[in-house]
Amino acid sequence: GQNIDQPTEMTATEGAIVQINCTYQTSGFNGLFWYQQHAGEAPTFLSYNVLDGLEEKGRFSSFLSRSKGYSYLLLKELQMKDSASYLCAVRDSNYQLIWGAGTKLIIKP
Amino acid sequence: DTGVSQNPRHKITKRGQNVTFRCDPISEHNRLYWYRQTLGQGPEFLTYFQNEAQLEKSRLLSDRFSAERPKGSFSTLEIQRTEQGDSAMYLCASSYQDSGSSGANVLTFGAGSRLTVL
Repeated sequence: GQNIDQPTEMTATEGAIVQINCTYQTSGFNGLFWYQQHAGEAPTFLSYNVLDGLEEKGRFSSFLSRSKGYSYLLLKELQMKDSASYLCAVRDSNYQLIWGAGTKLIIKP
Repeated sequence: DTGVSQNPRHKITKRGQNVTFRCDPISEHNRLYWYRQTLGQGPEFLTYFQNEAQLEKSRLLSDRFSAERPKGSFSTLEIQRTEQGDSAMYLCASSYQDSGSSGANVLTFGAGSRLTVL
């Protein structure tokens, strides 16, 4: 079967750095996405990785290792507004998105 | 463009009733997706359209669920004879995908329609 694993919940301090990991086992691989979802709101796109390595976008970076079936989302200079769920999704060989359950990130002052 | 719009935002219904949700995608997007999401879970794929053609439907989707996109613009998702297990957030998303392209095809989601079945 296809599986995406992420930690259920993480806590971090305002101004700090946090890394959210995602491991996957899917039928094929055609890209990995990270989305942010605030409670009661729609998921919003953060990043896309299809090749190995690090993609940086301001305070957010995403890393991919296809051989290890592994990605992480790195958030720097954490702000209270970063409190949200972070969803990892992999596009499989049928170009379907397989979603993880999300990691709820709690930021404390 | 106002993004992806979904109506109604909230629907409370009694078990056995039919409900319909509407999604207006971003106008230049040719693909439209329906997902279901419950608390603490990621979105679960239901179905998707390329223009007016329904190209895929989840095997998990019972016959009580039907979706249409008659003119390749807005879409409706109907649930017949609702059950308490249908209570969830129903998310619509749209994207633009060139045929033959293997680009990112990033989905833009609407705010969702929350269904509560009593």
